[in-house]
Amino acid sequence: GAGVSQSPRYKVAKRGQDVALRCDPISGHVSLFWYQQALGQGPEFLTYFQNEAQLDKSGLPSDRFFAERPEGSVSTLKIQRTQQEDSAVYLCASSLSAGGQHTFGSGTRLTVV
Amino acid sequence: AQSVTQLDSQVPVFEEAPVELRCNYSSSVSVYLFWYVQYPNQGLQLLLKYLSGSTLVESINGFEAEFNKSQTSFHLRKPSVHISDTAEYFCAVSEAPGGGSYIPTFGRGTSLIVHP
Repeated sequence: GAGVSQSPRYKVAKRGQDVALRCDPISGHVSLFWYQQALGQGPEFLTYFQNEAQLDKSGLPSDRFFAERPEGSVSTLKIQRTQQEDSAVYLCASSLSAGGQHTFGSGTRLTVV
Repeated sequence: AQSVTQLDSQVPVFEEAPVELRCNYSSSVSVYLFWYVQYPNQGLQLLLKYLSGSTLVESINGFEAEFNKSQTSFHLRKPSVHISDTAEYFCAVSEAPGGGSYIPTFGRGTSLIVHP
């Protein structure tokens, strides 16, 4: 597509609920990144894919966070047993190559109540 | 590992005044540098980038940034701002290929507020 598409745009989850956030990158972009952006902060790296391979997941804050990109295109970030501190905007970005400029989606604003 | 410091969390200016948003980075290897802009309720958009070559880079909407290796800075400037420039600005650094981590590190952001 023309840009990076993320869904849902907003998500309200009850504490303890599982959520799944979707990212549809630009066609042909091999690199895909997930970031977490807390209010008033810059994006913090979560995980990185090159095609279907998850090359770096060092930023995932706990084992409740899981990401996949099974066919090297669409990616899903899953958060199990959500907690209030998970409330943030989750940004997805794709690029033609590692180290290249990112094209970001509009993000998913997750609020855990 | 690289790091980025944006020295000002908020910069208020009047319309048509000049502005400078400061960014300093730390890295032991060659870097790529980026400025992204984020308008309310939107994702980040690339404003300009330095990869190599000329140390002065420009955007299509009048912003420019200069890579200063000795001072490890990449400050963003505009000679005359518009109300529409009100947004959050993020500086980011990644290590050039072969140098290490290609995953960019972002600063905390500077909120540019342009008053009429």
